[in-house]
Amino acid sequence: AQSVSQHNHHVILSEAASLELGCNYSYGGTVNLFWYVQYPGQHLQLLLKYFSGDPLVKGIKGFEAEFIKSKFSFNLRKPSVQWSDTAEYFCAVGLYNQGGKLIFGQGTELSVKP
Amino acid sequence: DAGVIQSPRHEVTEMGQEVTLRCKPISGHDYLFWYRQTMMRGLELLIYFNNNVPIDDSGMPEDRFSAKMPNASFSTLKIQPSEPRDSAVYFCASSLSRKAFFGQGTRLTVV
Repeated sequence: AQSVSQHNHHVILSEAASLELGCNYSYGGTVNLFWYVQYPGQHLQLLLKYFSGDPLVKGIKGFEAEFIKSKFSFNLRKPSVQWSDTAEYFCAVGLYNQGGKLIFGQGTELSVKP
Repeated sequence: DAGVIQSPRHEVTEMGQEVTLRCKPISGHDYLFWYRQTMMRGLELLIYFNNNVPIDDSGMPEDRFSAKMPNASFSTLKIQPSEPRDSAVYFCASSLSRKAFFGQGTRLTVV
């Protein structure tokens, strides 16, 4: 069965620290990869996506992610976090041949201390 | 476009009552998904439709749950009868070309 694993459940950082959130997936077919962010009390918003091409993708708010096919990974990075980045981050795999049906990881809660 | 619109935003109901959640997808999108979010289980896909036709309902937890999409601009998720363990945030998402957009969610509390 398809699955998505996020390495950390809760990450606490100080402002200006660098961030890397791990994501691995299990699926043998063609996938699209996504990171979504959910700010407290809000809905999911797309941070960035990978469909094809350059495996290093840049998203909004200074986030980027790298797709490493051999490792089935899609880690999210940001060089310098801000207090406003406090949110929950979800990695998701879109199954290409199922209309983009998204399978989500469990989420990583990021707390940034001012 | 206003995005994916869900209603109500919050619903509190008593155990045993019927609950209907509503979703208006983004115009032109051909897929619609219903997800449930809980602390324990994270985001779970319940069911999805393609061009108004249910494709995969394997995530629907029990027969108490049902979903319909009578036309391209409207879908409902119904729980009958509701139970306290159904309390969660229910998200609707629509997609075109494999890019999904989510609604604001409905926070359901069953007491």
